[in-house]
Amino acid sequence: EVQLVESGGGLVQPGGSLRLSCAASGFTFSSYEMNWVRQAPGKGLEWVSYISSSGSTIYYADSVKGRFTISRDNAKNSLYLQMNSLRAEDTAVYYCARVRWGISAYYFDYWGQGTLVTVSS
Amino acid sequence: DIQMTQSPSSLSASVGDRVTITCRASQSISSYLNWYQQKPGKAPKLLIYAASSLQSGVPSRFSGSGSGTDFTLTISSLQPEDFATYYCQQSYSTPPERITFGPGTKVDIK
Repeated sequence: EVQLVESGGGLVQPGGSLRLSCAASGFTFSSYEMNWVRQAPGKGLEWVSYISSSGSTIYYADSVKGRFTISRDNAKNSLYLQMNSLRAEDTAVYYCARVRWGISAYYFDYWGQGTLVTVSS
Repeated sequence: DIQMTQSPSSLSASVGDRVTITCRASQSISSYLNWYQQKPGKAPKLLIYAASSLQSGVPSRFSGSGSGTDFTLTISSLQPEDFATYYCQQSYSTPPERITFGPGTKVDIK
């Protein structure tokens, strides 16, 4: 059974840092591209960052570029999101999501349960 | 960036109703359109990918159609467990640094 379990969320002051983790199991993690997606309280879904299966290709949303760093450790079946210079507007539930490709298809087929990050003084 | 809109933003329906949700893209996205269901406090769940392909394990009362800029998600006979918020997502912009979601449609009980 595919499982994605996020951890590392919590309360942090503006300007602070936090590192999120996503532990993967039930599939060959090293074969899959991964993403982070966030959802502010009461709001919709926002794509945050992407990493290729090898970790060689990375993308970020403009809203987090220069502050967040995505990485992965395929030996540990884990995905990470290092978040620095946090702002109040980064407050959200952060989800990791697995990518699948197909004909005219690129989608997120499995999601973790999410971890809440609250940025407040 | 490709902008996604959904209509309606919310709707009230009864068990057994046929429900249709519309998603529109600001430019053609071919069939790179996915639908997700999200219940309160839970992660999104993939329902439909590539505009009309049903994800494994999803009930057949869910269906998707459309291509280009206009897409629909239809629930043929609404069930109690279907009350949720539904999001469309365009994945035409690859590499995926421009993936965008629609604002969501909340389906609640009439």
